Amino acid sequence: GEDVEQSLFLSVREGDSSVINCTYTDSSSTYLYWYKQEPGAGLQLLTYIFSNMDMKQDQRLTVLLNKKDKHLSLRIADTQTGDSAIYFCAESITGFQKLVFGTGTRLLVSP
Amino acid sequence: DADVTQTPRNRITKTGKRIMLECSQTKGHDRMYWYRQDPGLGLRLIYYSFDVKDINKGEISDGYSVSRQAQAKFSLSLESAIPNQTALYFCATSEQTGSYNEQFFGPGTRLTVL
Repeated sequence: GEDVEQSLFLSVREGDSSVINCTYTDSSSTYLYWYKQEPGAGLQLLTYIFSNMDMKQDQRLTVLLNKKDKHLSLRIADTQTGDSAIYFCAESITGFQKLVFGTGTRLLVSP
Repeated sequence: DADVTQTPRNRITKTGKRIMLECSQTKGHDRMYWYRQDPGLGLRLIYYSFDVKDINKGEISDGYSVSRQAQAKFSLSLESAIPNQTALYFCATSEQTGSYNEQFFGPGTRLTVL
């Protein structure tokens, strides 16, 4: 079955690195995504990784994928107060044509 | 202008009332989705539609119905609202592509059922 788990809350200081973790259960995932939800807004795609990759870097963002452990992480370098938001991981599974979202991690960045 | 719009943005209603939430998109996407968001539960899929004639139930469709009036419009109805349907509701769209499925979200409708 499909199940995506995240820790609910993470608090960091401005300038530190943030690491948000996600575990999923379906080994047939093809793409895994990170979405960001700012207060009062809908979700926006932040980055994604194809399942045959181990790592993807995009400016301050680094995505790591461990397929053996079904573990996905998002590292935000030099975290800013504007990064405060809820972050969702999601997987798309071959043949299902829909996304399964995690529970979301609320990131709070303090000055 | 926003590509995916939802109306109303906020709604307070009473138990037993019929409610319709509307979603419109200008992205030209065939696929549209309705989710609800609850704290600690993330987003759960209510219904999805891959074109005007194709509507499918998601994981939590009980108590909800949908109508795909046109490619650009997808409405969610609560026939008889109950308090545990209090939540934030999102509409989303996506293109029809392989297994890559970037979804574009509306701003959400906050629904409170008293």
